[in-house]
Amino acid sequence: DAGVIQSPRHEVTEMGQEVTLRCKPISGHDYLFWYRQTMMRGLELLIYFNNNVPIDDSGMPEDRFSAKMPNASFSTLKIQPSEPRDSAVYFCASSLYSNTEAFFGQGTRLTVV
Amino acid sequence: DAKTTQPPSMDCAEGRAANLPCNHSTISGNEYVYWYRQIHSQGPQYIIHGLKNNETNEMASLIITEDRKSSTLILPHATLRDTAVYYCIVSYAGGTSYGKLTFGQGTILTVHP
Repeated sequence: DAGVIQSPRHEVTEMGQEVTLRCKPISGHDYLFWYRQTMMRGLELLIYFNNNVPIDDSGMPEDRFSAKMPNASFSTLKIQPSEPRDSAVYFCASSLYSNTEAFFGQGTRLTVV
Repeated sequence: DAKTTQPPSMDCAEGRAANLPCNHSTISGNEYVYWYRQIHSQGPQYIIHGLKNNETNEMASLIITEDRKSSTLILPHATLRDTAVYYCIVSYAGGTSYGKLTFGQGTILTVHP
């Protein structure tokens, strides 16, 4: 397996534009997580899914953020409209069970100007 | 989830053992101790986890005190490639209630020649 695959690796967009980040988890993994990393706040869990169902989205900063998992092999994190303070590295991770290791993707570096 | 306390930074000579401490005095009986690391610009990487017994894998050893209030991650023969931020995380991982992996500031381990 190629691991967790995220796209794009880098995204630069203008304030107010819609941004969509994509993630392909490891095949067979039941859990998928979206994290955000900034210098100020470190790594924050935004939302996680179990069997494609969102379980906990308490970390989603505001209504501008939304995440979907239409099937077991694909998830998106959308920001609409984007703001400069959304600039961060966004990581997707997946795990087989709840008490096993989580595998992280390489991240998407988002810059909103 | 219980809070963890780690030293902000540590140094280690190449080839020597690196011992990274973590305090988690408020850990509850059903919470696991996880260790992850993040090498610059990469996604976090799982190292090891345990409940109450000491654990060892090909990467490291995890020593958990009998009262479970602290633990030590041991990298037996540190190399330059082990330079990274090391995160100690305490999380419940039972059943369908996945405990969030809440990342703190971690310990910056620098391995020098």
